Amino acid sequence: SQQGEEDPQALSIQEGENATMNCSYKTSINNLQWYRQNSGRGLVHLILIRSNEREKHSGRLRVTLDTSKKSSSLLITASRAADTASYFCATDVPPAKGGSEKLVFGKGTKLTVNP
Amino acid sequence: ETGVTQTPRHLVMGMTNKKSLKCEQHLGHNAMYWYKQSAKKPLELMFVYNFKEQTENNSVPSRFSPECPNSSHLFLHLHTLQPEDSALYLCASSIISNSETQYFGPGTRLLVL
Repeated sequence: SQQGEEDPQALSIQEGENATMNCSYKTSINNLQWYRQNSGRGLVHLILIRSNEREKHSGRLRVTLDTSKKSSSLLITASRAADTASYFCATDVPPAKGGSEKLVFGKGTKLTVNP
Repeated sequence: ETGVTQTPRHLVMGMTNKKSLKCEQHLGHNAMYWYKQSAKKPLELMFVYNFKEQTENNSVPSRFSPECPNSSHLFLHLHTLQPEDSALYLCASSIISNSETQYFGPGTRLLVL
């Protein structure tokens, strides 16, 4: 079953506005990560927030984590056309017997920033 | 993206062909991954290698065969694929196979006719 799920599925805003994307997950986590993907390209890691952290910043990015609600949000401030991409949250899943820890990705939020 | 490279970037193959996807990482990592990304579906983990040993096979059909000759290289051998296997195949690496940051290649766009 899917661990992380982003909301909304798609978001269209004007340059300069803020963009907020949300991620909900089902089971306890050690950390949650946000990745970005430009169309047809590989994913790029943006930020990792651990379960004992509530907020983290990186440049124009702000990530919050609420473990009681099993949710996280990614805020991009003062958006630019170059921020147009899909954004994914990824949560860790404990290893199955003999297996590895792994990341489970959501379906993503497709962000369009209009110039 | 230059830390993890994938070739070819695009591949068209018939259902009876045999082809291989290649991934190379220049980051000194010990874990490598294959993912499949289909339209409107979450990223699907296929295989995990940690220190050249396969530690995860996520119920992938046998027409996909991974190979990891060393910690820097990962292959995905393809044979008798189906049209529904058309997707973007992404390779990733991390320091070790845990839930920390993964670094992705640009992907191979595969079309099976």
